[in-house]
Order: sequence, then structure tokens, then C-alpha cells
Amino acid sequence: GNSVTQMEGPVTLSEEAFLTINCTYTATGYPSLFWYVQYPGEGLQLLLKATKADDKGSNKGFEATYRKETTSFHLEKGSVQVSDSAVYFCALSDWSNAGNMLTFGGGTRLMVKP
Amino acid sequence: NAGVTQTPKFQVLKTGQSMTLQCAQDMNHEYMSWYRQDPGMGLRLIHYSVGAGITDQGEVPNGYNVSRSTTEDFPLRLLSAAPSQTSVYFCASTTTLGEWQFFGPGTRLTVL
Repeated sequence: GNSVTQMEGPVTLSEEAFLTINCTYTATGYPSLFWYVQYPGEGLQLLLKATKADDKGSNKGFEATYRKETTSFHLEKGSVQVSDSAVYFCALSDWSNAGNMLTFGGGTRLMVKP
Repeated sequence: NAGVTQTPKFQVLKTGQSMTLQCAQDMNHEYMSWYRQDPGMGLRLIHYSVGAGITDQGEVPNGYNVSRSTTEDFPLRLLSAAPSQTSVYFCASTTTLGEWQFFGPGTRLTVL
């Protein structure tokens, strides 16, 4: 079956530091890949996505590149802010998932200190 | 557009009680789903629906029932609550299978 593995948190950074959150996946087919963000007390929001190999998703300064050869979709940001503190989820969907719904990683909590 | 709405926000149940978690969307999305979120495990799919009158099981369906009588509503029923069902429940909807989904704000359920 499909699975998504994320680095365990929490990740604690100072403001303006570089961020990398690792994500690797296993999938039956050719999945679409997503990063979702969950701010405290809220639901999940789509942060960025990529639908095929070598695609780069980007949004709000965050980037992730779909690497088929390493089955990875690492999230990066060049300079984090306190407002980026949240839980980040890597996810995939492909035809072998029930209803083509999402398979999630365990989530990585990011804490950014001023 | 209200997007995806869920009620209640918080609920405490005793073991054996039943209840229904409500989910509604006003975006005319065909596809709706329920996930539960547990610490360190991400979100896991409980049930999903690909249209009114059509539902199917996800990864962790035991102890839950769903129905989809309208496009807008997708309630999740707990038949006899157990402490293992203590979790945060998220409803989601999408217009295209395999694409990203809109999530509701969640319902935090505690079963004593």
C-alpha cells in the first residue's frame, strides 16, 4: 500500500533560519504530492502541490520538488517567520488509494522563535 | 461561501453512547470524506463518498457509519462510542478525484 514518511518533530528554528522538512513516499502508481499546513486550532490548508516528476510546487515562500528517483518531496523555505509556526503534513493521492483520497504522513511540528 | 463546516467543535461522550458528527459543504463538490487525526499518525481515512447515494470504506471504518443523501451533507455516525475513538475528526471535500481537498475546522471528540 501507499505510505508517507516525514521527519519527526518538533523542529525548532530561529526567525530567518532555513527550513527543510523531509518527506519520502511509497506508492503503487504515479501519485500527486501535497504539503498541507495546520495552524493551532484550525483545519488543514493546502500549502502547495506537484502532480508529476520534477514539478516544483511553491507558495508563500515555501517550495518542494517532486523527485521520482528518490521518491521524495522535501519542503523548504529560505527564511522562516514566527507566523510559520504550525504542523506540516506531507500527503499523496493516487489511483490505488481508496476513492483516490489522501494518504498522510505523521506531521512535523515547526516552532519558530523570534 | 462558507466552505466546509463541521459541528460540533467539541464533544464529550461516555462509552457506549452514540452521536452524529455533521459535515456540510456549499461548493457543490461531488467528493467528500472523513478523516481522523491522532498524534504522530497523521490523518487516516474513515469513509468517503463519490456522490449522493454512494459511500465506501477507507482505512479505518470500524465503528463508524456514513450516508450521503444530498450533495451538501455527509454525516458521520458513531454507533457505540469507545475510548479508542477519542480523536480529532476532519471532513473534507473536493471537486476532482486525486486533487487537493478543502478541509473543515474539525471536531474534537473525547470518549470517557
